[in-house]
Amino acid sequence: QKEVEQNSGPLSVPEGAIASLNCTYSDRVSQSFFWYRQYSGKSPELIMSIYSNGDKEDGRFTAQLNKASQYVSLLIRDSQPSDSATYLCAFHKASARQLTFGSGTQLTVLP
Amino acid sequence: DTGVSQDPRHKITKRGQNVTFRCDPISEHNRLYWYRQTLGQGPEFLTYFQNEAQLEKSRLLSDRFSAERPKGSFSTLEIQRTEQGDSAMYLCASPISSGASTDTQYFGPGTRLTVL
Repeated sequence: QKEVEQNSGPLSVPEGAIASLNCTYSDRVSQSFFWYRQYSGKSPELIMSIYSNGDKEDGRFTAQLNKASQYVSLLIRDSQPSDSATYLCAFHKASARQLTFGSGTQLTVLP
Repeated sequence: DTGVSQDPRHKITKRGQNVTFRCDPISEHNRLYWYRQTLGQGPEFLTYFQNEAQLEKSRLLSDRFSAERPKGSFSTLEIQRTEQGDSAMYLCASPISSGASTDTQYFGPGTRLTVL
């Protein structure tokens, strides 16, 4: 089993729709989770962090964490063409300081 | 702009040559991370420093790779005898502590290495 699994996509949604990105992870003791956005040719940019079960909202972005199911998701409301990018989920394994990343989901928002 | 800078931004080299990359992290933060990212994959951890001490190295960091952080400020990553498989984006990350044991990491712009 991979440590982090994401649907590679590509995921296409029309402009204004809700984009839903999902990630499952294998380490039951992980406590901190992150979503990064990466435009082509650029470095990852932090969007959200989440540490507790439930939802965390920041503008058009909502991160959802379910530790029992080892599942974290990112919802993007009112998707815009500028949201077209690869979205990476990441977490800290156990007490490790470095991040473990998924391979990313490519999102395309169609005008 | 995360405040993390990397130099050079792009490097093209021939197989067998040595290359060195530099990272200047967010000042006042004592941890610094190096990752490598190949096409279609997420970043993979290489090594990290706390101040000048290199505390952990990934198995990806073969003996051709060496990293240093003199005086706990900037860091360098050197690859000796480059191979085509070393072609990747090399990313430096600087954290802002979010708790006792974990970091929220901010990435620099990366160095894109192409080995011909």
